[in-house]
Amino acid sequence: EAGVAQSPRYKIIEKRQSVAFWCNPISGHATLYWYQQILGQGPKLLIQFQNNGVVDDSQLPKDRFSAERLKGVDSTLKIQPAKLEDSAVYLCASSPLVGEQFFGPGTRLTVL
Amino acid sequence: DQQVKQNSPSLSVQEGRISILNCDYTNSMFDYFLWYKKYPAEGPTFLISISSIKDKNEDGRFTVFLNKSAKHLSLHIVPSQPGDSAVYFCAAGYNQGGKLIFGQGTELSVKP
Repeated sequence: EAGVAQSPRYKIIEKRQSVAFWCNPISGHATLYWYQQILGQGPKLLIQFQNNGVVDDSQLPKDRFSAERLKGVDSTLKIQPAKLEDSAVYLCASSPLVGEQFFGPGTRLTVL
Repeated sequence: DQQVKQNSPSLSVQEGRISILNCDYTNSMFDYFLWYKKYPAEGPTFLISISSIKDKNEDGRFTVFLNKSAKHLSLHIVPSQPGDSAVYFCAAGYNQGGKLIFGQGTELSVKP
């Protein structure tokens, strides 16, 4: 069974630029999550989708972050414009309606 | 407000001995707890979980203990192996689905 796919794996941008990340979840998983992991900390949920609807986006900085889940499958997370403090690993995870979350390898973002 | 805490950033153990990783939480509404393992440049991998109706769950060399009155859980690895060297995150959630709150992680080093 294929795991959660993410791209790119690494991205370096300058502050005020835009960036987008892509995630393809495990086939059949209804729920998709985006987490932000800052160095030395645990992952923090940014947004949760169930099918193509948003369940929880309470911790998403909506002035600069946006996310969508196309047709209830793939998802993109965008940052526009990026700030220095956005440097982190962005993790995508998926799960069935009940059960553990499976994580992708993450995208490491460096904002200079 | 850190709802899930791992107070030991690192732990070093000799091969063959027991590794004990600890986690404390503050929210008594959590009813589902998990441990994830993370190698460098990879996403977290699910290790073991426990529901709040249990106080122990075992899977091979890994056992998770839950003490609800103390709001404390621990992961025991017996015997520890060098391949267990990784960062371990505890996480807490609700109803075996949805948002997870992660601790900061404990880096385990198992020395041959």
